[in-house]
Amino acid sequence: AQKVTQAQTEISVVEKEDVTLDCVYETRDTTYYLFWYKQPPSGELVFLIRRNSFDEQNEISGRYSWNFQKSTSSFNFTITASQVVDSAVYFCALSEARYSGYSTLTFGKGTMLLVSP
Amino acid sequence: DSGVTQTPKHLITATGQRVTLRCSPRSGDLSVYWYQQSLDQGLQFLIQYYNGEERAKGNILERFSAQQFPDLHSELNLSSLELGDSALYFCASSVSGLAGSYEQYFGPGTRLTVT
Repeated sequence: AQKVTQAQTEISVVEKEDVTLDCVYETRDTTYYLFWYKQPPSGELVFLIRRNSFDEQNEISGRYSWNFQKSTSSFNFTITASQVVDSAVYFCALSEARYSGYSTLTFGKGTMLLVSP
Repeated sequence: DSGVTQTPKHLITATGQRVTLRCSPRSGDLSVYWYQQSLDQGLQFLIQYYNGEERAKGNILERFSAQQFPDLHSELNLSSLELGDSALYFCASSVSGLAGSYEQYFGPGTRLTVT
């Protein structure tokens, strides 16, 4: 069975600090997809990134970057120069292909990031 | 705005009652998913429909059921409600349900409170 672990329950930083959110996953499949979602205080879930298991290239999008390492089954998320608006709960998720070809998302418990001014 | 709509936004009802949550996917998306988010269980997948047919089932209770209609909107029915069913219920949609190859876009959620 697939599993996603976000060991950091809550992280507090001061604005402009860099912060890394950890995500470790377990799966038996060779083909899988990893995601990060953001849930701000307003409650909606916002898609941030999708990465497939065959693409280990790191990705950078503005102040956000993601480090995917299959050797350690990790997909970590770094926010550079954090801002107050980054305060949210961040979820890492894993999708496996089922025999039917259809798949579902398994979410980690989330990491609450609090950025103070 | 993800393009996924959910109604109602809030719902307060009593134990033993039945409620229906409604979801309209993004234009062009054929797959609809339902998730439950609670403090103790976190975000849990309930059920997935693709073009009107059930495709995957998660930790959905027998008291809960869902369907996807020809116009692709979906409804989640919760019956014999218990206090523990109080949660935020999300609907998500994607272009295809195949192998996680497309991201899921989430609606704003319906907050259900059972008293």
